[in-house]
Amino acid sequence: GAGVSQSPRYKVAKRGQDVALRCDPISGHVSLFWYQQALGQGPEFLTYFQNEAQLDKSGLPSDRFFAERPEGSVSTLKIQRTQQEDSAVYLCASSFLREGLVDEQFFGPGTRLTVL
Amino acid sequence: SQQGEEDPQALSIQEGENATMNCSYKTSINNLQWYRQNSGRGLVHLILIRSNEREKHSGRLRVTLDTSKKSSSLLITASRAADTASYFCATVEDKIIFGKGTRLHILP
Repeated sequence: GAGVSQSPRYKVAKRGQDVALRCDPISGHVSLFWYQQALGQGPEFLTYFQNEAQLDKSGLPSDRFFAERPEGSVSTLKIQRTQQEDSAVYLCASSFLREGLVDEQFFGPGTRLTVL
Repeated sequence: SQQGEEDPQALSIQEGENATMNCSYKTSINNLQWYRQNSGRGLVHLILIRSNEREKHSGRLRVTLDTSKKSSSLLITASRAADTASYFCATVEDKIIFGKGTRLHILP
């Protein structure tokens, strides 16, 4: 079956440009996560959705970052007025909930964003 | 900020040897997960251990959890070249926090 897909796989943006990153989770997965991963580091949590509800956005680094999942399936992470420090790999993951807790996460291949 | 801290940061061993990686964390958890990341396959879930479990096995993987010491270990037995990757622990409570990872290199 299809795994988590993300598009685009690579994005080069000029500083100040807006970008939109898309995530298609595994069908039926309730939970969806966005992470930011800098080179040589572990993934850093950005935000979490349960169906269409954004339950936690405490990891979003600034108000330039916005995420949505309007129908509880596909999600978009938008970054406005990109800065060089936004350059990173953005990972999306989805999972079932088991007993109300986050279970095994399935990760997409990521979008590598480079801001010039 | 990242809660999980893996130790060592990097590890090189001969093929066939066992590899042990450790993870320490700071607060209470519901479960702890280990992931592997390499350039070919991205981040892949390896094993999940719940806070009321002490040990879990999956193939050549063995994970232990000591909640009193707030630590976990991942043991890979009979290592293979394909095990070369970065390994991350992720703690799950009200949110999920990944450590910085251990870079494992298996020497032929």
